[in-house]
Amino acid sequence: AQSVTQLDSHVSVSEGTPVLLRCNYSSSYSPSLFWYVQHPNKGLQLLLKYTSAATLVKGINGFEAEFKKSETSFHLTKPSAHMSDAAEYFCVVSTGGFKTIFGAGTRLFVKA
Amino acid sequence: DAGVIQSPRHEVTEMGQEVTLRCKPISGHNSLFWYRQTMMRGLELLIYFNNNVPIDDSGMPEDRFSAKMPNASFSTLKIQPSEPRDSAVYFCASTQDRAYNQPQHFGDGTRLSIL
Repeated sequence: AQSVTQLDSHVSVSEGTPVLLRCNYSSSYSPSLFWYVQHPNKGLQLLLKYTSAATLVKGINGFEAEFKKSETSFHLTKPSAHMSDAAEYFCVVSTGGFKTIFGAGTRLFVKA
Repeated sequence: DAGVIQSPRHEVTEMGQEVTLRCKPISGHNSLFWYRQTMMRGLELLIYFNNNVPIDDSGMPEDRFSAKMPNASFSTLKIQPSEPRDSAVYFCASTQDRAYNQPQHFGDGTRLSIL
């Protein structure tokens, strides 16, 4: 069985400060892991993906995530938040058989 | 490269009416997904197709919902009759093949309001 838990429903940061969005997963097999971002009135857009290559994955817009098998985590980080980063972020786990599980989402607020 | 195209972007209709949502996947993608997003339930997978064949429709809420994919470039999701609880944003997504490590590409969604 597989599951994904986003540990925070809301995160608020000030512009220019670091961002940390937390994600834990459970999977019986080696998973593929993704982070997507959703801006208002838009579909989900891929930020980055992990597929068993390097454990530190770099994505678009300065985001990166680290796969930690021992902690079953795949947290998303960015060194310095920008106002345009305000959006909802989804952690996603996928394994063979084409089952894809979406987390509940974390809404990121960025204060000026 | 055109992304996934959904139409209409917004639909407002009265309870009991038939609603048809449309999706054009990215050219060359052979897997297509329909999702529903609400505040209460988040993002739910309704159905997915591979090579135009429905593979898993276990997420379709009830018989009022039906989906078709007559060819590789077009899919519809139909609700008949519609009910107020069907109000949601419906997304279509496509991916290049059935491999689990391929990301899904999403359209901008159809915001459906049933009065």
